Amino acid sequence: IAGITQAPTSQILAAGRRMTLRCTQDMRHNAMYWYRQDLGLGLRLIHYSNTAGTTGKGEVPDGYSVSRANTDDFPLTLASAVPSQTSVYFCASRAGTGDYYGYTFGSGTRLTVV
Amino acid sequence: GQNIDQPTEMTATEGAIVQINCTYQTSGFNGLFWYQQHAGEAPTFLSYNVLDGLEEKGRFSSFLSRSKGYSYLLLKELQMKDSASYLCAVLDSNYQLIWGAGTKLIIKP
Repeated sequence: IAGITQAPTSQILAAGRRMTLRCTQDMRHNAMYWYRQDLGLGLRLIHYSNTAGTTGKGEVPDGYSVSRANTDDFPLTLASAVPSQTSVYFCASRAGTGDYYGYTFGSGTRLTVV
Repeated sequence: GQNIDQPTEMTATEGAIVQINCTYQTSGFNGLFWYQQHAGEAPTFLSYNVLDGLEEKGRFSSFLSRSKGYSYLLLKELQMKDSASYLCAVLDSNYQLIWGAGTKLIIKP
């Protein structure tokens, strides 16, 4: 089934630990995104990649890093987790970056940093 | 700054009609999206407007007025499964999506 796969589904992480959230898509979409969603706030963009080999910073990039070695994978790394990074993380992709291309979302990773 | 406003929560009755409003102030405009998000799930695409006017898609319609920075999502013949959050998002001049906080819609029998 075409779509986006995120792993893990949920995780409890000790503060200070390193963690990589995985995101894989099989739609050959060029653009990929990482968002965090917190209660009462809209989805906030962490990092994005318009095409394989390129990445950019979003609205809330501090404490996070990404890589885009190929079209399909876009992992998000927390180098040293802090409690404020407790959130639901969504990976998304689009076929292109022009005006109309719908976003497809993964099912999300619920991360709790304690 | 960029800002998207929508009501936090709305309640409606099964079978009725509800209108969810969204106002925006963004740096540029390349279209407005509406997404539906059930609790604990990912957002799913509902509609896209880039020109003024009404776009109808079954029980759901979306309206846009660019001059007023305003959109609404109209849901007709409400069903219990329509209970969800509805997210408004604007594609800005850099083709990045700016998201509203979402409107939680509660449907009562």
